[in-house]
Amino acid sequence: DTGVSQDPRHKITKRGQNVTFRCDPISEHNRLYWYRQTLGQGPEFLTYFQNEAQLEKSRLLSDRFSAERPKGSFSTLEIQRTEQGDSAMYLCASSKTSGSYEQFFGPGTRLTVL
Amino acid sequence: QKEVEQDPGPLSVPEGAIVSLNCTYSNSAFQYFMWYRQYSRKGPELLMYTYSSGNKEDGRFTAQVDKSSKYISLFIRDSQPSDSATYLCAMSPMNSGYSTLTFGKGTMLLVSP
Repeated sequence: DTGVSQDPRHKITKRGQNVTFRCDPISEHNRLYWYRQTLGQGPEFLTYFQNEAQLEKSRLLSDRFSAERPKGSFSTLEIQRTEQGDSAMYLCASSKTSGSYEQFFGPGTRLTVL
Repeated sequence: QKEVEQDPGPLSVPEGAIVSLNCTYSNSAFQYFMWYRQYSRKGPELLMYTYSSGNKEDGRFTAQVDKSSKYISLFIRDSQPSDSATYLCAMSPMNSGYSTLTFGKGTMLLVSP
């Protein structure tokens, strides 16, 4: 499978715990994006990387959230001290930087904070 | 007012109907327009994209953009029960390198056999 993959697909945690999600983009894509989607809403942009550089962060991304892409390949999104309001689907997407810019999404990680 | 407005539906149609899905937007910087389909509990799947005003056709799908009215549409011909999903419009300004997508809420479509 050469699509975007995310792990885990589901995560249930207790309030106050830290969680980390992983995204593996399409191999020839050098841009990687993180979005959050809550029920009945469209995805909301969180942050994106071009290679290993984090180029933009949304104001939605509080200081409890941190994302990395250390070698320009896979990325991790960590949420510290989770809150019930963090419950959502976390989506990863990837794209090229020239020619076509279409973003291809992974299946998402569904987070439930109890 | 949100930057992208999309009626959440649900929109219920019989099999074979022509479906029209629409979004309006307020940010005139948006230059890149996409439609995604999302099945329940899955990631969005890109259907069509366009950079210009006018129509773009792909099989049963036609995307239409009217930049002067800040209005985009997706038409589905000969709708099938397998088209039942949530359809999301998304758009991006050129000055972000098309990196930051702003999505509508999505319209849920139900096609009955």
